[in-house]
Amino acid sequence: GQQLNQSPQSMFIQEGEDVSMNCTSSSIFNTWLWYKQDPGEGPVLLIALYKAGELTSNGRLTAQFGITRKDSFLNISASIPSDVGIYFCAGQLSNQAGTALIFGKGTTLSVSS
Amino acid sequence: ETGVTQSPTHLIKTRGQQVTLRCSSQSGHNTVSWYQQALGQGPQFIFQYYREEENGRGNFPPRFSGLQFPNYSSELNVNALELDDSALYLCASSLIAVETQYFGPGTRLLVL
Repeated sequence: GQQLNQSPQSMFIQEGEDVSMNCTSSSIFNTWLWYKQDPGEGPVLLIALYKAGELTSNGRLTAQFGITRKDSFLNISASIPSDVGIYFCAGQLSNQAGTALIFGKGTTLSVSS
Repeated sequence: ETGVTQSPTHLIKTRGQQVTLRCSSQSGHNTVSWYQQALGQGPQFIFQYYREEENGRGNFPPRFSGLQFPNYSSELNVNALELDDSALYLCASSLIAVETQYFGPGTRLLVL
């Protein structure tokens, strides 16, 4: 199935460091979303972006919707141990056939204290 | 406000059997989407239901089918289970079809 290109695949950082991850696609999306998934649970929405060029923050998280509508990045500032988990980007595709989310493969974040 | 709930949490089946997974949407949401997440992968879109009708389908064979009920809850049915069907099955609900999707905790299916 179709997936977005998400990088890096994994990151090992120290508590307090900043983190950056990004997502690219060959297709244009009208909405980009970032989710976090903890082991054995469903993805939890972190940030939704609806407009090309949009920069949105949610606490220590900042995400941007690329101008070309084919990419997005997520930054986490001053990481803490509870930031550990898998982060997924998703592009929302809406057409006559309905609305589907196309996901990246995820970035696994490990934070050492 | 109750979030998206799914049942059962875990399930073990053997190859060739049939399985039904259930999802209750978040209060006020009329659209339910189903995703399959294999280990180490991102979720893959199976299909979406809006007002009890299938409203879009991903690249999954017809043995994956679904239903949505008048209260907007939904079922995912998989016939003739294969080993590769082992995955986490996620349900997501949204206010309407084009709005942001919120996920349930998932059902972990193991096919032996």
